[in-house]
Amino acid sequence: ETGVTQSPTHLIKTRGQQVTLRCSSQSGHNTVSWYQQALGQGPQFIFQYYREEENGRGNFPPRFSGLQFPNYSSELNVNALELDDSALYLCASSRTTSGGYQETQYFGPGTRLLVL
Amino acid sequence: AQKVTQAQTEISVVEKEDVTLDCVYETRDTTYYLFWYKQPPSGELVFLIRRNSFDEQNEISGRYSWNFQKSTSSFNFTITASQVVDSAVYFCALSENSGNTPLVFGKGTRLSVIA
Repeated sequence: ETGVTQSPTHLIKTRGQQVTLRCSSQSGHNTVSWYQQALGQGPQFIFQYYREEENGRGNFPPRFSGLQFPNYSSELNVNALELDDSALYLCASSRTTSGGYQETQYFGPGTRLLVL
Repeated sequence: AQKVTQAQTEISVVEKEDVTLDCVYETRDTTYYLFWYKQPPSGELVFLIRRNSFDEQNEISGRYSWNFQKSTSSFNFTITASQVVDSAVYFCALSENSGNTPLVFGKGTRLSVIA
C-alpha cells in the first residue's frame, strides 16, 4: 500500500449538486495531484497542489476546484455536477524537492463518483 | 504535444505464458520520464517503474522486464511466466521536463491471465 488515502470510496449525486472529495498524502510527500478516469480510459490530469497553491491545471472547467491544507492533504470540489462527471477520481501524492524536482507520484484507491 | 499510445486494448494469455505490453510515446522534449502503472480491479494505480530518457538500459525486476528504445519511441513491458494475479489494466505514462509535468497516460491494456 502507498499510504495515500481517499474518502469517500463511492458517492452517488444528482445533476447540479456539489461534491467534495478528500485525499491524505503519503508521509513525507508535499504535493498532491488529482486525476479523473472515465470508464475504459486512462487518467486525465485535473490539477496539482504544492505549498497550498494550485501548481498546474489540465483542461477542466473552473467548476473543478481544490484546496491543499498545511498537513498536505487535499480536497477536490466539483460544483454543478454533470452526468459526464461520473468517473473514478484518483489522488496522487509525491515529493517536490527544494530544487523544484518532482519525484514519483503514488496513487490512492480512488473515489468512484456516479452522477444521476 | 506529448502522447502515449497503447495499441493493445485487451490481451488474454494462459498462465505461465510470457506476455509483452506495448507502449509508444511522442514528445519533443529531450528530458522526460516514462512510467508503468498497474490497476487491479480495486482501482488503485500501483507504481511499477520510472525510467528517465537518458537511461536506455533494460531493467528486470523479478518476472517483470522493461525494454526502452528511444530510436522507436517505445517502452515495452514484458511479464515472464504470467500468473493469474497479474490480471489487471496496465498503463504507460509520460512526464516531460525532467518529470515535472503532469503524467500523460495511454488508454491502458487489459491483461487477463487464465488459469
